[in-house]
Amino acid sequence: DQQVKQNSPSLSVQEGRISILNCDYTNSMFDYFLWYKKYPAEGPTFLISISSIKDKNEDGRFTVFLNKSAKHLSLHIVPSQPGDSAVYFCAASGPTSGTYKYIFGTGTRLKVLA
Amino acid sequence: NAGVTQTPKFRVLKTGQSMTLLCAQDMNHEYMYWYRQDPGMGLRLIHYSVGEGTTAKGEVPDGYNVSRLKKQNFLLGLESAAPSQTSVYFCASSRLQGTYPLHFGDGTRLSIL
Repeated sequence: DQQVKQNSPSLSVQEGRISILNCDYTNSMFDYFLWYKKYPAEGPTFLISISSIKDKNEDGRFTVFLNKSAKHLSLHIVPSQPGDSAVYFCAASGPTSGTYKYIFGTGTRLKVLA
Repeated sequence: NAGVTQTPKFRVLKTGQSMTLLCAQDMNHEYMYWYRQDPGMGLRLIHYSVGEGTTAKGEVPDGYNVSRLKKQNFLLGLESAAPSQTSVYFCASSRLQGTYPLHFGDGTRLSIL
């Protein structure tokens, strides 16, 4: 039972255009959502997060949107740059049996074409 | 500032051998985690610790043991390695639980023949 899903394994976008990465979750107890970026042979690095009390959070070129009723979040990258080419993981956390668990999606590989 | 450091970076084992993966963090974080990453599976939680001297099971704990004798270190042990444990292992830490991001190490690539 996959609680966090990223249904697009890969995405290609032209440099300068918008990249939209999507993530769906099933557990209504999740209250904190994160996006991580991962380059080959490196660990995931934290990109941006959003609390369930908000529906949008911006940090430079990166914006995360949260739609709680649809249990859906998305990451927008504008404008996309070749250095953004990486695997992006969404993650969700929330209380489970008295402790917080971080559950990750399977990742989306973004390729930004120069 | 090193953050989260994992050793070794690569290792090849034979089936049945044992080994320990070491994770060290210098951020004074309370919480530490071990994940494995497999193709098409994302990151799956093996074990975690909410403080020195504590450990708890995650999603896929079978075949692994952990120890957190010091706050800065979290060890992952494989007592009898199996080919199904071939994976990339990531250690992570966080300041507190809840609305705090995880900080990851660069991973240990483990192959079991």
